[in-house]
Amino acid sequence: GQQLNQSPQSMFIQEGEDVSMNCTSSSIFNTWLWYKQEPGEGPVLLIALYKAGELTSNGRLTAQFGITRKDSFLNISASIPSDVGIYFCAGQNSNSGYALNFGKGTSLLVTP
Amino acid sequence: DAGVIQSPRHEVTEMGQEVTLRCKPISGHNSLFWYRQTMMRGLELLIYFNNNVPIDDSGMPEDRFSAKMPNASFSTLKIQPSEPRDSAVYFCASSPRGENTEAFFGQGTRLTVV
Repeated sequence: GQQLNQSPQSMFIQEGEDVSMNCTSSSIFNTWLWYKQEPGEGPVLLIALYKAGELTSNGRLTAQFGITRKDSFLNISASIPSDVGIYFCAGQNSNSGYALNFGKGTSLLVTP
Repeated sequence: DAGVIQSPRHEVTEMGQEVTLRCKPISGHNSLFWYRQTMMRGLELLIYFNNNVPIDDSGMPEDRFSAKMPNASFSTLKIQPSEPRDSAVYFCASSPRGENTEAFFGQGTRLTVV
């Protein structure tokens, strides 16, 4: 698969703080997706991005599709304890057909 | 919608035994994916199907792994014979037809080979 570099690898923050994580690739993608995975569960889709430059929000979450089509970021505002989990970016392009290439994940811990 | 359904949720087996993992995709979805997740390698695509036809199986690690999709509502991933290094969480995901569409994941099967 194509390599996606996700950072940071982990974050340990206090409730109420804002969070930012990003994903970069050497390949151009047509779609960027952000997933959250909680222990014992499968990844759950948070936000899907389809156009370069697109900025999309889902509640306290905001994600952007980078203008170069090689990167994306996810922001979480005013974090709460239930935001705890592993956040994955995933990219899709014609090289991968319909399949998604995943980053290694950002592990988020939020203390009350 | 019940989402993607995988069974079993947990499987413990002895090395050398055959293991079969099962998946029921979301009704109406035309693409189905099998992923494997480990701490070391993250989420890796093993194989995906489009309209029940295998499109890309280049991620299948060895001939010990095989996958089938006999109809639009069922797929299996088989490992024969299993080895300890196959221990991982195996996810099935499905997505609607076409490019640039999201994949929805099942809860996974945690496989332990001892």
